Amino acid sequence: DAGVTQSPTHLIKTRGQQVTLRCSPKSGHDTVSWYQQALGQGPQFIFQYYEEEERQRGNFPDRFSGHQYPNYSSELNVNALLLGDSALYLCASSLDRGQGHQYFGSGTRLTVV
Amino acid sequence: RKEVEQDPGPFNVPEGATVAFNCTYSNSASQSFFWYRQDCRKEPKLLMSVYSSGNEDGRFTAQLNRASQYISLLIRDSKLSDSATYLCVVNGDLRTDKLIFGTGTRLQVFP
Repeated sequence: DAGVTQSPTHLIKTRGQQVTLRCSPKSGHDTVSWYQQALGQGPQFIFQYYEEEERQRGNFPDRFSGHQYPNYSSELNVNALLLGDSALYLCASSLDRGQGHQYFGSGTRLTVV
Repeated sequence: RKEVEQDPGPFNVPEGATVAFNCTYSNSASQSFFWYRQDCRKEPKLLMSVYSSGNEDGRFTAQLNRASQYISLLIRDSKLSDSATYLCVVNGDLRTDKLIFGTGTRLQVFP
């Protein structure tokens, strides 16, 4: 049983570019959350997708957008990249209302230069 | 004030020592609490949930004090393999299971 898979594992982009990160949830999970983890910080909630809709959003600008497909996989898109967007982006999957038990992928490390 | 606060450490302890980490949270309506472990440059992994009655898993004991909005993790008989960052996590929204993380406490166990 595959866990949460994310791609790519590493990415280097230039300021102003756009990036798309991908996530496949753990088998049987229907909810995908995205988190940003800057160096030395805990993960920060970006948004959550359930039933192909954004259900909740953290304190991130609308340069950050996402999508969930019918097979529950998800994408995170970031437009107009800034140096400060350099971070580890984590995808977590769970069952709806699963009491907070989320399984994390190994993340995509994004570097903006 | 941060929603979840932890001492970032590092805590440097010898093998076999007992070490305790503490965490406070600001939202009194929070319902679910966890400790996650994160190894260097890896993803967070659930270590244990935290219940009001306190719970134990081998060498690890977690406690919750709702009145003080305080969570703790005790590690007994520390092993070299316990070296990691320990993240205190609170469920910020029952509707969505949004997780709110502390900055993490770094533990280094030395021989």
